[in-house]
Amino acid sequence: QKEVEQDPGPLSVPEGAIVSLNCTYSNSAFQYFMWYRQYSRKGPELLMYTYSSGNKEDGRFTAQVDKSSKYISLFIRDSQPSDSATYLCAMILQTGANNLFFGTGTRLTVIP
Amino acid sequence: GAGVSQSPSNKVTEKGKDVELRCDPISGHTALYWYRQSLGQGLEFLIYFQGNSAPDKSGLPSDRFSAERTGGSVSTLTIQRTQQEDSAVYLCASSFAGPSETQYFGPGTRLLVL
Repeated sequence: QKEVEQDPGPLSVPEGAIVSLNCTYSNSAFQYFMWYRQYSRKGPELLMYTYSSGNKEDGRFTAQVDKSSKYISLFIRDSQPSDSATYLCAMILQTGANNLFFGTGTRLTVIP
Repeated sequence: GAGVSQSPSNKVTEKGKDVELRCDPISGHTALYWYRQSLGQGLEFLIYFQGNSAPDKSGLPSDRFSAERTGGSVSTLTIQRTQQEDSAVYLCASSFAGPSETQYFGPGTRLLVL
């Protein structure tokens, strides 16, 4: 079993839809949670960074962490064609840990 | 300012040959990471540098893989006697201090082993 599970999609939605992307994880020691966006043939870029349980909002993006369920989500409101990309969840075990654990990524297409 | 750069952007090689991949981190970033991204596998951690030291090499898949960093800046990832299963995108990331800081990724090197 992978440490971080993510539905690879692909996911297609019409422009303006609300998108929900999710990851589950198995290790309760994960403390920091991130969402990265990766456009085709580019490196991942950080979208959201949260610590422990709770919600964090940034413009049209909301990241949600539920540590009790070992479940994290990214919501995109009023989705735009420019949001079409692969979205990767990632997490770190604890401060000072060495690496990010990534999900496989969900490929999203927003149709105009 | 300049982001993380990697070279070459694409590399095609024959099975059994050695390849060297280069990463130039963001200036001032002391931490540097190498990841591998294979189709359907997500990003897989390979190695982490803090300065010129590599306190965590746990992700290197075999002894054919090695990496070094000089001057606290440029890093090279070397794959010896390449195999077809080494074909992947190799991504480099850097951060200001350590792993809890935001990691900024380069565009990657796409390696194809024939």
